[in-house]
Amino acid sequence: DGGITQSPKYLFRKEGQNVTLSCEQNLNHDAMYWYRQDPGQGLRLIYYSQIVNDFQKGDIAEGYSVSREKKESFPLTVTSAQKNPTAFYLCASSIGLTGGNQPQHFGDGTRLSIL
Amino acid sequence: QKEVEQNSGPLSVPEGAIASLNCTYSDRGSQSFFWYRQYSGKSPELIMFIYSNGDKEDGRFTAQLNKASQYVSLLIRDSQPSDSATYLCAVAGGYNKLIFGAGTRLAVHP
Repeated sequence: DGGITQSPKYLFRKEGQNVTLSCEQNLNHDAMYWYRQDPGQGLRLIYYSQIVNDFQKGDIAEGYSVSREKKESFPLTVTSAQKNPTAFYLCASSIGLTGGNQPQHFGDGTRLSIL
Repeated sequence: QKEVEQNSGPLSVPEGAIASLNCTYSDRGSQSFFWYRQYSGKSPELIMFIYSNGDKEDGRFTAQLNKASQYVSLLIRDSQPSDSATYLCAVAGGYNKLIFGAGTRLAVHP
């Protein structure tokens, strides 16, 4: 059945290492998003993409990179430049611009910690 | 900077009571409003959305929107311990983006 799959569920990063979080959706949604959530805080937007091969920075893009080569996939790379990566990372998708302000639906998230 | 404000709580209500969660937003042009529920350690799940002034009911949940006063609220009738969670208010911020509040923690005690 349709949904958003994030993997892995837990991820550990060593000092100086880049790590990539996977996000795949089979909802045929055009728009995809990456958020970061720190304990006791709301969601902060890292990157978003409205269409294949195009993406924009959100509020906290520094130290992160993304790609959108396929409609279904929007992987997030946490680079070594991100000095405080420990957080809960959430991927979301929505119908997109043609659907107006539609709700976003979330994957189960990835918990990233520093070793 | 567009902002969405929520009282962090915890809001403590007895089982069977009505829980009232409130949210204010700064962008007068916002058109769409969403309520998400997030259990501890889990991802947010959509409960309701509302686009027009007034009330929208879905089961035990009622969303209320007042654009003139720039607030949106969520009422939960007959609150159950299973409703204990953090409730996130989100407001459409243009370009299909949502701006999230920090959430209100609700605790329903037996």
